[in-house]
Amino acid sequence: DAKTTQPPSMDCAEGRAANLPCNHSTISGNEYVYWYRQIHSQGPQYIIHGLKNNETNEMASLIITEDRKSSTLILPHATLRDTAVYYCIVINDYKLSFGAGTTVTVRA
Amino acid sequence: EPEVTQTPSHQVTQMGQEVILRCVPISNHLYFYWYRQILGQKVEFLVSFYNNEISEKSEIFDDQFSVERPDGSNFTLKIRSTKLEDSAMYFCASGTGLQETQYFGPGTRLLVL
Repeated sequence: DAKTTQPPSMDCAEGRAANLPCNHSTISGNEYVYWYRQIHSQGPQYIIHGLKNNETNEMASLIITEDRKSSTLILPHATLRDTAVYYCIVINDYKLSFGAGTTVTVRA
Repeated sequence: EPEVTQTPSHQVTQMGQEVILRCVPISNHLYFYWYRQILGQKVEFLVSFYNNEISEKSEIFDDQFSVERPDGSNFTLKIRSTKLEDSAMYFCASGTGLQETQYFGPGTRLLVL
């Protein structure tokens, strides 16, 4: 699976959009980009995924660059409950390979 | 909304004892997984299971570990003889297919003394 690179941490103001970048320059054509988050030590929570096109759901939007070498997860209106570790994962087989992720702290 | 459940939420055991961690995957899912997370470390893949057999396992998943789907609803992880280093959160996940979304349970916190 392609490796991903994320900033270790970022802060966001409550009510503002949070933009979380991820680099996956070695991604291949059939590999999906998945985003999960983990609040404290709870089970990882699925957020969104995509292959080539931008995607949006009730939680977030995913913007994938045309060359697919990077993506951005957008939380449109961050709340305090969005404070978590966010993982960007590229997958083409059975397993999810979690890195260290980005620790996002939403501040009031 | 259907979800993956796990029992127990916490388990304390003595080194050398056997433990069985239980999971009830989402009912129409066919692929099942175990992951673990040692305190302060990354979430690590242990094993995937499909069609009543192991599809893939990591180097962590040695002979002390086994998985089973004893009936149509449960998916279990057994550790035969626990070691101190097995202390971790263990997460079960399930999905409908390869490259499909994996949904995680809340985890079992295992403490080996």
